[in-house]
Amino acid sequence: QVQLVQSGAEVKKPGASAKVSCKVSGYTLTELSIHWVRQAPVEGLEWMGGFDPADGEIVYAQKFQGRVTMTEDTSTDTAYMELSSLRSEDTAVYYCTTIDYWGQGTLVTVSS
Amino acid sequence: QLVLTQAPSVAASLGASVKLTCTLKSGHSSSAIAWLQQQPEKGPRYLMKLYSDGSHRKGDGIPDRFSGSSSGAERYLTISSLQSDDEADYYCQTWGTGIWVFGGGTKVTVL
Repeated sequence: QVQLVQSGAEVKKPGASAKVSCKVSGYTLTELSIHWVRQAPVEGLEWMGGFDPADGEIVYAQKFQGRVTMTEDTSTDTAYMELSSLRSEDTAVYYCTTIDYWGQGTLVTVSS
Repeated sequence: QLVLTQAPSVAASLGASVKLTCTLKSGHSSSAIAWLQQQPEKGPRYLMKLYSDGSHRKGDGIPDRFSGSSSGAERYLTISSLQSDDEADYYCQTWGTGIWVFGGGTKVTVL
């Protein structure tokens, strides 16, 4: 059984960066394709990017390219998502997921 | 371009059945999708992967009341014997060439 455990809520000022972690257990990170999805208040699910096993690369949604960086530390089975140049519209719950397994979500609040 | 279309909302009575539709954009009618449930104030929960031939693979512990079917470019989620905790948002999701796409979600209200 896969478990994804995310880091805690963050409050950031506009222009800052937020880095969310996702610790995998039950499987190793190399056995999974981790993606990141966010959900703004009262909005739907929005895909940000994730690992494409077809070519072994991380693919980013066009909307976030240049502002998001997704990395993986296989020594600790932890995936990371860092979003920079934060603005108020980035206030959302951020999830790591394999689609069939989901982290608990991390609320990132951007406020001056 | 991958696009999924869902009706914004549907209402049905307690104990009744409801059939949700997720429509794949023309040219992608053979794509598989996933159905997700999101109850109020909770994270998404995987229900099933649904293939173009109607076969599906459910997540652990998903009741038999939830079933999937397909016809052409449409993918369906049927919830039978509606219960109060089925009141939730339901999203479909698909993937291709490394990218994921979500539908806009359907809000199910149990009357």
